[in-house]
This record gives sequence, structure tokens and C-alpha cells, in this order.
Amino acid sequence: QKEVEQDPGPLSVPEGAIVSLNCTYSNSAFQYFMWYRQYSRKGPELLMYTYSSGNKEDGRFTAQVDKSSKYISLFIRDSQPSDSATYLCAMSFIQGAQKLVFGQGTRLTINP
Amino acid sequence: NAGVTQTPKFQVLKTGQSMTLQCAQDMNHEYMSWYRQDPGMGLRLIHYSVGAGITDQGEVPNGYNVSRSTTEDFPLRLLSAAPSQTSVYFCASLSQGNQETQYFGPGTRLLVL
Repeated sequence: QKEVEQDPGPLSVPEGAIVSLNCTYSNSAFQYFMWYRQYSRKGPELLMYTYSSGNKEDGRFTAQVDKSSKYISLFIRDSQPSDSATYLCAMSFIQGAQKLVFGQGTRLTINP
Repeated sequence: NAGVTQTPKFQVLKTGQSMTLQCAQDMNHEYMSWYRQDPGMGLRLIHYSVGAGITDQGEVPNGYNVSRSTTEDFPLRLLSAAPSQTSVYFCASLSQGNQETQYFGPGTRLLVL
């Protein structure tokens, strides 16, 4: 069993919908949680970084962490076709983005 | 700033051949790393470096060598390529002063026949 599980999708929703992307993890030692966005044939880029249970909001994006359930989520409000990409969750035992453990990634398509 | 650059973009190798994937960054970042991305597996850490002259193994280091002689460059060497090393390889860098944001290069697609 992988340390970090992420539904690979694909996920297809209409423009304007609220999107929910999720990851579960098995090791409670993970303390730092990230979401990356990866466009086709590009490198991942950081969307959100958080290290505590609760919600963190940045524009249309909200990252949610529930350490007691070992569950993290990314919500995208008012989704746009430009949000079509693969979304990867990542986690670390140590502060910062060093030595990340990634989920499999979820491919998301926003239909106009 | 060019950020993180990788060469080549695409490479085909025969089993047993060797090659070096190049990675360079112009942001004076102390930390650099190599990941491979395979379908259904996400990204997995191969090797990393916390500064010039210092390297360490990640999750999947077998079959790969690295060295860090300068802050800017972090090449990844495949000594004897195997079909299992067919993958997309990403180099990344991070500043000790801003450890939240890791910058990834555009990737190198490697096909081993």
C-alpha cells in the first residue's frame, strides 16, 4: 500500500462547478502538506502549502487538512477551463518541500 | 531568471547505454533534487543534495548516480540503462530561505529500449 493515496480520476466537470480533490495518507508522521498543479508536458508548480489541521484559502483555492483522519483536500471554486490539469498532493515529514512523498495525481478537465 | 532548466527534453537509449541528464538553476538555491514520474505512481524522489559536495539517496536511487560540484548544477547519471528506467525525470530546486516553494524543471522524457 502506498503511503499517500490519491484517486487518479480522470475527473470531468462543467465550468463554474466546485471541484473537490482528495488524498489520504497512512503515516501520521507527515506534518507538511502541499498541492501541486501540473499542466500537460510541464513540471509541477506549487499551489498551496500548509502544515496544520484546518483550512487555508488562496483565491479560488482552499486546502483542507484533517490530521486526525489522515485526509487532505483541495477545493476549487468557480472552476475555469484553465484549471484543467493534473493535481498532485504531496507531503513531508520535515519542514519545507524537501523529500516529498507524492500521491498519484488526479487528472481534471473543466468543460466550457 | 531562467529558473530550473533540463536537457535534453527527450532521449531514446538502448539497454546498457549510459547517459547524463543535465539540470541547472540560476536562483542560487541550496537544495536540489531529482524525481521520476511514472503513470499511476506519482513522483518519486531519486536523489537530493542540500549543497555543493553533499548528496543523499531518496526513495528509488538504484541505477542512478549524482554529484554536486557547484551550486548551479546537479546532473543525474544512468550508468547502464534498463527498460524500467523509462520515465519522465524532473529536477527541482529550493531555497533554504523559502523552504515552502520547490521549483521544478520542464522534465526530460527518457525511453529505454
